[in-house]
Amino acid sequence: DQQVKQNSPSLSVQEGRISILNCDYTNSMFDYFLWYKKYPAEGPTFLISISSIKDKNEDGRFTVFLNKSAKHLSLHIVPSQPGDSAVYFCAASATRNTDKLIFGTGTRLQVFP
Amino acid sequence: GAVVSQHPSRVICKSGTSVKIECRSLDFQATTMFWYRQFPKQSLMLMATSNEGSKATYEQGVEKDKFLINHASLTLSTLTVTSAHPEDSSFYICSASHRGSGWNEQFFGPGTRLTVL
Repeated sequence: DQQVKQNSPSLSVQEGRISILNCDYTNSMFDYFLWYKKYPAEGPTFLISISSIKDKNEDGRFTVFLNKSAKHLSLHIVPSQPGDSAVYFCAASATRNTDKLIFGTGTRLQVFP
Repeated sequence: GAVVSQHPSRVICKSGTSVKIECRSLDFQATTMFWYRQFPKQSLMLMATSNEGSKATYEQGVEKDKFLINHASLTLSTLTVTSAHPEDSSFYICSASHRGSGWNEQFFGPGTRLTVL
């Protein structure tokens, strides 16, 4: 039972364009969402997060949008850079008082020149 | 940001032996540590959650007698894979969190690649 899904296993974007990574979830109890970036043979690094009381959070080139009614969130990267090439995981948490995260299956982003 | 290390980064062992993986938070005290495993092209699957000084909480389907977790201090947690078999070959990643680090923010180690022959 995959509660957090990333339906696109890969995405290829030209440098300078926008990258949009999508994530869907099924558990309506999730109220905090995070995006992580992961290089091969390394642990994930935190990128950006959003709580369910917001619908948008922006940090530099990264913006996360949350649509609670659709149980959908997306990560926008603009402009995309070759160094952004990595696997991106979205993760969700059910309550403020737990540290447990449920990860999606990941999307491999490739940014080409 | 907070730094989490893992040792070893890569280990190859024979079937039937035990392997210990260490996870350390280098510049902060981790109130909670997590152990994940990742199969190729799959998501990170949470194996267990451990709080310093208490028993680990294992996720459904994870054998606690096979994957022994010890969280003896606020900076060190260990995962021991006992009587390893080839199907235990995977990428094991730990993470650590601290209430002061932010709401549900986990800091991940670089991972350990385990290969069981």
